[in-house]
Amino acid sequence: AQKVTQAQTEISVVEKEDVTLDCVYETRDTTYYLFWYKQPPSGELVFLIRRNSFDEQNEISGRYSWNFQKSTSSFNFTITASQVVDSAVYFCALSPSNAGGTSYGKLTFGQGTILTVHP
Amino acid sequence: NAGVTQTPKFRILKIGQSMTLQCTQDMNHNYMYWYRQDPGMGLKLIYYSVGAGITDKGEVPNGYNVSRSTTEDFPLRLELAAPSQTSVYFCASTGQPPFSYGYTFGSGTRLTVV
Repeated sequence: AQKVTQAQTEISVVEKEDVTLDCVYETRDTTYYLFWYKQPPSGELVFLIRRNSFDEQNEISGRYSWNFQKSTSSFNFTITASQVVDSAVYFCALSPSNAGGTSYGKLTFGQGTILTVHP
Repeated sequence: NAGVTQTPKFRILKIGQSMTLQCTQDMNHNYMYWYRQDPGMGLKLIYYSVGAGITDKGEVPNGYNVSRSTTEDFPLRLELAAPSQTSVYFCASTGQPPFSYGYTFGSGTRLTVV
């Protein structure tokens, strides 16, 4: 079985602050993908990033950065200089990539972190 | 526009009624999924399909049925609606590995059972 835990239920920051959303996962699969999705107040799910378990390089995309540490089973997400438009629910998710496994292709979500950025 | 289309967007059902949530994708994706999202919670997998004619249960399948007769369509059937099925339902699809672009989600169906 696989499990994704997002320790922070809610985070509240003031605009321009940096904020880190934590994600810890459990899986028995040796290869897998990790994802982050954003769910703004409008309700749709927006894909942010996919990370292969083989690739532990950190990634930066504009104000967003991701820190993947396989040794601690963590895939944390940092927003630098937060903006009001970043207010949303953020989900971390896990999908096995081992074609022989029974969970192949099944995306498991964490419970989400509600981020509120105040002006 | 390419993507995942869900209908209806909103629906109110009475206890015991039945309905089908429609999901269509035009990206020729083999993998399709149904998730439900309860208030303040993450998404839980109901059913999924790895191709036409192949479906399997997810984490919370009770009270639901699915079919996959074509690559494009993956309808979700509620036979006897119960208040516990009040939720937002998302359909998703993805192509073959390595799922380079992640999973594409529909805009959701907000269902209320009263």
